[in-house]
Amino acid sequence: SAVISQKPSRDICQRGTSLTIQCQVDSQVTMMFWYRQQPGQSLTLIATANQGSEATYESGFVIDKFPISRPNLTFSTLTVSNMSPEDSSIYLCSVEGGTSYEQYFGPGTRLTVT
Amino acid sequence: GQSLEQPSEVTAVEGAIVQINCTYQTSGFYGLSWYQQHDGGAPTFLSYNALDGLEETGRFSSFLSRSDSYGYLLLQELQMKDSASYFCAVRSLNAGNNRKLIWGLGTSLAVNP
Repeated sequence: SAVISQKPSRDICQRGTSLTIQCQVDSQVTMMFWYRQQPGQSLTLIATANQGSEATYESGFVIDKFPISRPNLTFSTLTVSNMSPEDSSIYLCSVEGGTSYEQYFGPGTRLTVT
Repeated sequence: GQSLEQPSEVTAVEGAIVQINCTYQTSGFYGLSWYQQHDGGAPTFLSYNALDGLEETGRFSSFLSRSDSYGYLLLQELQMKDSASYFCAVRSLNAGNNRKLIWGLGTSLAVNP
């Protein structure tokens, strides 16, 4: 299994600002995933981040709004840019386990935009 | 489009058996996974089926029928701590041909004494 930490755990931000969320894994992993989840709702995949290549974004998510960095095999960041109240959500990073069919999740970042 | 359907809520009593069904319609299929998520927590992996049949892991079992695009999670000897949301997720590929999960909307399970 992988142990994943995220920073910050929560934040309250003003409309129009940006927030960068950090995801640190205790082992080297090829694929990292960024999700968004409203409380009580399902998970929505934002993008997949492979080390050494550009992130692949899902439909409805664009790089200008959610730029992602993946500088090495244990770390990634997701930036939520030019925030609006609609961006208020829980943001989760995850990685594939050794078997590749399991995903392990960080504790999440609870973002509130006012 | 791509969709996964599962019941929104299920209620059961301690010690009982409950089955959560999942039907899927996706453009690619490489397996069906189940995750558990407690309130305020992160999803945790429960099981995975790539082939037809039943996989058993302790009190939890998962079944897959690829011809029916159908699977289920079976929880036996229910305990209060099993109260959580359960998500089915289909393993597929993204635009870059990398693996990704497509998630169902989740089933909220309430276990009563």
